[in-house]
Amino acid sequence: EPEVTQTPSHQVTQMGQEVILRCVPISNHLYFYWYRQILGQKVEFLVSFYNNEISEKSEIFDDQFSVERPDGSNFTLKIRSTKLEDSAMYFCASSEEGGGQPQHFGDGTRLSIL
Amino acid sequence: AQSVSQHNHHVILSEAASLELGCNYSYGGTVNLFWYVQYPGQHLQLLLKYFSGDPLVKGIKGFEAEFIKSKFSFNLRKPSVQWSDTAEYFCAVTTSGGSNYKLTFGKGTLLTVNP
Repeated sequence: EPEVTQTPSHQVTQMGQEVILRCVPISNHLYFYWYRQILGQKVEFLVSFYNNEISEKSEIFDDQFSVERPDGSNFTLKIRSTKLEDSAMYFCASSEEGGGQPQHFGDGTRLSIL
Repeated sequence: AQSVSQHNHHVILSEAASLELGCNYSYGGTVNLFWYVQYPGQHLQLLLKYFSGDPLVKGIKGFEAEFIKSKFSFNLRKPSVQWSDTAEYFCAVTTSGGSNYKLTFGKGTLLTVNP
């Protein structure tokens, strides 16, 4: 079964540094998402992306965050200047269509900010 | 905005016991409902989903869930659990219409099944 792949599995970064989290969605999927889960808390929606633009973003997704689909396969999340509170698991997901079609998740990237 | 509540933080059962995990959502309109499972060290996997039609939906691995609109609930059930069902279970919802495709998750329920 096709999978969503995420790299790296664990990223350790100094506060204030930029990080890029990478995702390869399932190849025929059109909708892409980032979620995060702070330890002990809910999985939270960050952003959805369709047709090369953001379709929705949460209040968490401020100017420090950006997403990009630089080529036909990768989908990246960039945090420009990391803060301690950005430490979390970041999950990428993709779906064939929107509107409630099942989203397929990657294994996540654990981001640790020192 | 929609929200999802899962009543049980940690459930401990013996093998062959029956399972019911509670999930309630708050949203006044049409919803799509999901249960995801996360086995230790693995990614979130879809167990089952409800879009419309028969409110009793069957998923993989013998799980089922019942959508009760009047109670805003979508409880997950399994008649006889196995040790391999040990995992964290997440209820989630999306709302129909517009561009609101985001999944809103509950906090998750950790299920431990003792052999």
